[in-house]
Amino acid sequence: IAGITQAPTSQILAAGRRMTLRCTQDMRHNAMYWYRQDLGLGLRLIHYSNTAGTTGKGEVPDGYSVSRANTDDFPLTLASAVPSQTSVYFCASSSQGLTDTQYFGPGTRLTVL
Amino acid sequence: KNQVEQSPQSLIILEGKNCTLQCNYTVSPFSNLRWYKQDTGRGPVSLTIMTFSENTKSNGRYTATLDADTKQSSLHITASQLSDSASYICVVGRNSGGGADGLTFGKGTHLIIQP
Repeated sequence: IAGITQAPTSQILAAGRRMTLRCTQDMRHNAMYWYRQDLGLGLRLIHYSNTAGTTGKGEVPDGYSVSRANTDDFPLTLASAVPSQTSVYFCASSSQGLTDTQYFGPGTRLTVL
Repeated sequence: KNQVEQSPQSLIILEGKNCTLQCNYTVSPFSNLRWYKQDTGRGPVSLTIMTFSENTKSNGRYTATLDADTKQSSLHITASQLSDSASYICVVGRNSGGGADGLTFGKGTHLIIQP
C-alpha cells in the first residue's frame, strides 16, 4: 500500500505559469486536504474535500483551485503562479473527517520565480 | 480567535534524556487534540489523538497529556533517541460541523537530539 503520493517532488516555475500538483491516495479515504507549509507559519489549509464531488475553501484559498472527480485523486491547480506561492505543499487524507487521523503525503516543494 | 501556541520554539537535548513539549490552545468548541512528528523534508506523521474525555495517551516512548480545563497539552518523550530529532506539531480540532477547516495548527517545536 503506497498511502498518499504527490507529484512532482519539486518544481521551479516561472511566475504567470499554470501548474497542477497531483495527489493520489489508495486508502479509499473520503476526506482529502491541501496544505502549504512556510517557515515560521506552520501548516495552513488551502482547500479540502469531505467526499468525492465536493470541495471547500480553507484558510488561504486565493490563487488555488481544486477538483475531486473521484475518491483517489485531489489535484491542486495554480492558475497563474506568483512568487508568494513559493512553499512546500502537502496533501493529506483521512477516513471520514475531523476526528480521524490524517495521513500526509511526502510534499511538493514549489519555487515560483 | 482560535490559536495554538507551542513552546519552546526549539530545544536541544542529549541522547537518552527526557523532554516535555508544551501546547496551549484557545480553540473552541474543542473536539480533539493531536500531536504530529515531522522529520525534515517529510510530511507530518500522527503520534496521538485525544478527545475531551481523554487526559493521557501513549505511543511507545511518546506520552501526550491533555487538560481540557486549562486548555493545555504536553508531549513527553522518554529516553530520547537520535531519530527523535524532528519538529513536533500540536493540532487542535474544533467542532465545526464536520468540516475540515476545523483544525488549527501550531507552528511546532523543533527538537534536536545530540549524541
